[in-house]
Amino acid sequence: GESVGLHLPTLSVQEGDNSIINCAYSNSASDYFIWYKQESGKGPQFIIDIRSNMDKRQGQRVTVLLNKTVKHLSLQIAATQPGDSAVYFCAENKDSGYSTLTFGKGTMLLVSP
Amino acid sequence: EAEVAQSPRYKITEKSQAVAFWCDPISGHATLYWYRQILGQGPELLVQFQDESVVDDSQLPKDRFSAERLKGVDSTLKIQPAELGDSAMYLCASSLGRGATEAFFGQGTRLTVV
Repeated sequence: GESVGLHLPTLSVQEGDNSIINCAYSNSASDYFIWYKQESGKGPQFIIDIRSNMDKRQGQRVTVLLNKTVKHLSLQIAATQPGDSAVYFCAENKDSGYSTLTFGKGTMLLVSP
Repeated sequence: EAEVAQSPRYKITEKSQAVAFWCDPISGHATLYWYRQILGQGPELLVQFQDESVVDDSQLPKDRFSAERLKGVDSTLKIQPAELGDSAMYLCASSLGRGATEAFFGQGTRLTVV
């Protein structure tokens, strides 16, 4: 079946380090992949997305890499800060006309000062 | 800044009772989603609206759950009767519509069924 999943449930880093959160997907038909950040007690917040015909996209302190050969997605956060501590979800978006979002299970990022 | 509004934030109900959640999406957003999120897991889509029409409710337990978006603006999700396993966070999200990749989420309603 179709699935979007994560390799690591928890990632602990020191403040100032770079963080890499990984995600594996199995549905090659997805048009977009999106990363969301969810802080405790809040709804998910959009971070960055990447279209399936791209392999890299950069934002402010974040970079998303897409490797379609191995169906792997990663989120890199530069100079990780305590405020980055949250659960990160990758999601896929099939542009079937209705932008259906399917989420993976999430990785918790813990940043120590 | 425009937000997706949800109410209530928290709800405790006894099993077999009815419960309802309300969502007001960002103005102008045609697509509205209801997700259920169990602690420690990713959100799972329950129902998706395009304007007032349901475009995906394949994962909605229709024997007890119902959702409506009568005028294509705000939406209500109802559970009747509630079961213990329904305890979860219920998230509403909205997006501009077809082709939009960014969905905006509300704060959610934390439901506890006792």
